[in-house]
Amino acid sequence: GAGVSQSPSNKVTEKGKDVELRCDPISGHTALYWYRQSLGQGLEFLIYFQGNSAPDKSGLPSDRFSAERTGGSVSTLTIQRTQQEDSAVYLCASSTSTGGNYGYTFGSGTRLTVV
Amino acid sequence: LAKTTQPISMDSYEGQEVNITCSHNNIATNDYITWYQQFPSQGPRFIIQGYKTKVTNEVASLFIPADRKSSTLSLPRVSLSDTAVYYCLVGDEGAAGNKLTFGGGTRVLVKP
Repeated sequence: GAGVSQSPSNKVTEKGKDVELRCDPISGHTALYWYRQSLGQGLEFLIYFQGNSAPDKSGLPSDRFSAERTGGSVSTLTIQRTQQEDSAVYLCASSTSTGGNYGYTFGSGTRLTVV
Repeated sequence: LAKTTQPISMDSYEGQEVNITCSHNNIATNDYITWYQQFPSQGPRFIIQGYKTKVTNEVASLFIPADRKSSTLSLPRVSLSDTAVYYCLVGDEGAAGNKLTFGGGTRVLVKP
């Protein structure tokens, strides 16, 4: 597509439930990134994919968080047994494999609220 | 990764020039300086990138002194729609899979 698409745009879930967040990157972008942004804060790196593999998972806050990417395209971020501190906007970005600080295109994010 | 420091917030008025200075004392030789803009309820958007001296595009100018330990983003004649958070990032532009490391950003409020 023309941009990075994320769904759902908003998600309200009960504490303890599992949630799945989806990211559709720009066609042809082999690198995909997940970030988290809490209210009024900067962006926190979660995980990076190159193709279907994840060379850098260093930002995942706990083992309740996992992510996968299939076909070098769509990625899903899964949060198990959600907690209230998981409430945030989850942003996805994609870029060409050559990297570069300027080549990143972000989606509009999924606003997750855990009640 | 080089740490960046920028003001938390700035207020301005329509038609004025806004200058945001970012400090990055530990910048490395291979690092580039990049600025992103984020509107409410949207992801960040690339504005401008530079390595040294001055870079200008249709949106902004970026001034980088010779020692590269700081940089200044200049937004000419701002409008209300320029109200946003502006992030300064420093990193190796050529590194594959280089993840962006965001600081707190500068919240710019443009008043009528």
